[in-house]
Amino acid sequence: RKEVEQDPGPFNVPEGATVAFNCTYSNSASQSFFWYRQDCRKEPKLLMSVYSSGNEDGRFTAQLNRASQYISLLIRDSKLSDSATYLCVVNPYGGGYQKVTFGTGTKLQVIP
Amino acid sequence: DAGVTQSPTHLIKTRGQQVTLRCSPKSGHDTVSWYQQALGQGPQFIFQYYEEEERQRGNFPDRFSGHQFPNYSSELNVNALLLGDSALYLCASSLSSRLLGTEAFFGQGTRLTVV
Repeated sequence: RKEVEQDPGPFNVPEGATVAFNCTYSNSASQSFFWYRQDCRKEPKLLMSVYSSGNEDGRFTAQLNRASQYISLLIRDSKLSDSATYLCVVNPYGGGYQKVTFGTGTKLQVIP
Repeated sequence: DAGVTQSPTHLIKTRGQQVTLRCSPKSGHDTVSWYQQALGQGPQFIFQYYEEEERQRGNFPDRFSGHQFPNYSSELNVNALLLGDSALYLCASSLSSRLLGTEAFFGQGTRLTVV
């Protein structure tokens, strides 16, 4: 089983739709979790951290389910500019260690 | 405030050659991690440098080596290049003193093509 698994997509959704991605991880001791966004041929950029209590940032909501070992990202009212690849990132360590593991990414295409 | 900067942005090398990639971390950051991203894949962790030493390493052969300088900048060296080393090489910086696993800020990457 891969350390971090994501559905590669692509997810093709119309503007205004709600879309959700899941990401499963295998290391139950993982400490921190993030969603990154990567535009085509660009570097990944942090979208949001994922907290145990869940967190929301505008149209984006991230959730963590430790029991089932997955994190999720919900995007409401999709915009054309949301089209990108969304990378799930899992950090098995605390204390600032960065041997993070990336998923392969889920590609989102928002259609007019 | 400059973010993470990498050089060069693009590079073409011949199989068997050696290459050096450079990274300057975000101001105030002390830790540099290097990643390899093949087309259509997520970034793969190569290694991390902190206090001028390699602190962690991923599953990459010894042909991949690195260095961190006193000003926290870093180099990634790859010897005996193979065609399969063609990828986007990303440098990420972070601050180790934070208690929780911190988010990493990425440079724009160096696109290496081995022919």
